[in-house]
Amino acid sequence: EAQVTQNPRYLITVTGKKLTVTCSQNMNHEYMSWYRQDPGLGLRQIYYSMNVEVTDKGDVPEGYKVSRKEKRNFPLILESPSPNQTSLYFCASSRVRNEQFFGPGTRLTVL
Amino acid sequence: QKEVEQDPGPLSVPEGAIVSLNCTYSNSAFQYFMWYRQYSRKGPELLMYTYSSGNKEDGRFTAQVDKSSKYISLFIRDSQPSDSATYLCAMSAVELTFGQGTILTVHP
Repeated sequence: EAQVTQNPRYLITVTGKKLTVTCSQNMNHEYMSWYRQDPGLGLRQIYYSMNVEVTDKGDVPEGYKVSRKEKRNFPLILESPSPNQTSLYFCASSRVRNEQFFGPGTRLTVL
Repeated sequence: QKEVEQDPGPLSVPEGAIVSLNCTYSNSAFQYFMWYRQYSRKGPELLMYTYSSGNKEDGRFTAQVDKSSKYISLFIRDSQPSDSATYLCAMSAVELTFGQGTILTVHP
């Protein structure tokens, strides 16, 4: 089954404790991206990657890091999480940039 | 001013109604226009994809783009309770920009 998987699905953590949200796709897509979804603000892009070892900032990259060492994986790293990073996070992948296939989401709470 | 504006609703309609969802935008460079549907506790899924002005129909769904007015619409005919979801418009010149989403409830 074609899918994008994210782990964990739910996470509660404390300010400053480094965390990684994993994302993996099995569709051999070149393009992957991370979004956060907040009430009233919609989906905002954090980072995206056109291919292995190629990443670029989206609209709201501050406080986040990514890496793309393998085509199928695109982890999101929060080195020092803060409460304003409490959000619903989605990973997406696609063959062409506009037709993105989204994962199930990770709900993160930073206390 | 946001690049893409979408009325968040919520919108509540009876089963069988025609639903109209709308977005306006300010960036003339947008060329690709999409509608995504997001069920509760799920990721968005691509519903309709259009390029440039005009209409595109897929079953009960019709997407309409008016580039001269910078306005896009999604029409749902014969709406069903299973259509209850959040509908997100999205558009791009390079990267995707999403609207805030409209919450739709279709009640039996």
